[in-house]
Amino acid sequence: NAGVTQTPKFQVLKTGQSMTLQCAQDMNHNSMYWYRQDPGMGLRLIYYSASEGTTDKGEVPNGYNVSRLNKREFSLRLESAAPSQTSVYFCASRTTEAFFGQGTRLTVV
Amino acid sequence: AQSVSQHNHHVILSEAASLELGCNYSYGGTVNLFWYVQYPGQHLQLLLKYFSGDPLVKGIKGFEAEFIKSKFSFNLRKPSVQWSDTAEYFCAVNAPGDDKIIFGKGTRLHILP
Repeated sequence: NAGVTQTPKFQVLKTGQSMTLQCAQDMNHNSMYWYRQDPGMGLRLIYYSASEGTTDKGEVPNGYNVSRLNKREFSLRLESAAPSQTSVYFCASRTTEAFFGQGTRLTVV
Repeated sequence: AQSVSQHNHHVILSEAASLELGCNYSYGGTVNLFWYVQYPGQHLQLLLKYFSGDPLVKGIKGFEAEFIKSKFSFNLRKPSVQWSDTAEYFCAVNAPGDDKIIFGKGTRLHILP
């Protein structure tokens, strides 16, 4: 099993550009999450989805949108990237404990 | 709202030393608690979890944690660390029935060979 798969692994954007981070899980989990990881800040929850068709804001949702396309897939969109969104983004899914993807390292210049 | 506080931001130990990393959470009700580890360049992996029952929880790689409800704490311990334990450790909390999982800021552990 692949678990949680994120694409892309690396991305460089110019300020103002848009992009979508993709996440898919094959564990039949209901809940899915997007976190960002910054040095000294730990993991901060951006958005989460308790089930297909529902999404909720986390701790730091500004500047992001999400789509729970189906039970497997949960995408994160940056409509107009800013340098403050330079970070490592992790997708996770769970029934009890969370399983994480390998991360997307995003740099906005 | 739930929150997690990890007091030690950076810990340096020699091999064979004992380890205790502090974690306190802020939430008035029943909680689920987790410790995750992130090795350099990798994603987070679960070390152990507490949902209910015995407050002393054993995890992988010789780690254990003790849930003390009166202190709102869930400290991580290991009797004798190895160089391979060099990593960042995260405590996390979740309230049953609420899908949010909130993480602490992490503790970077460096083991000297």
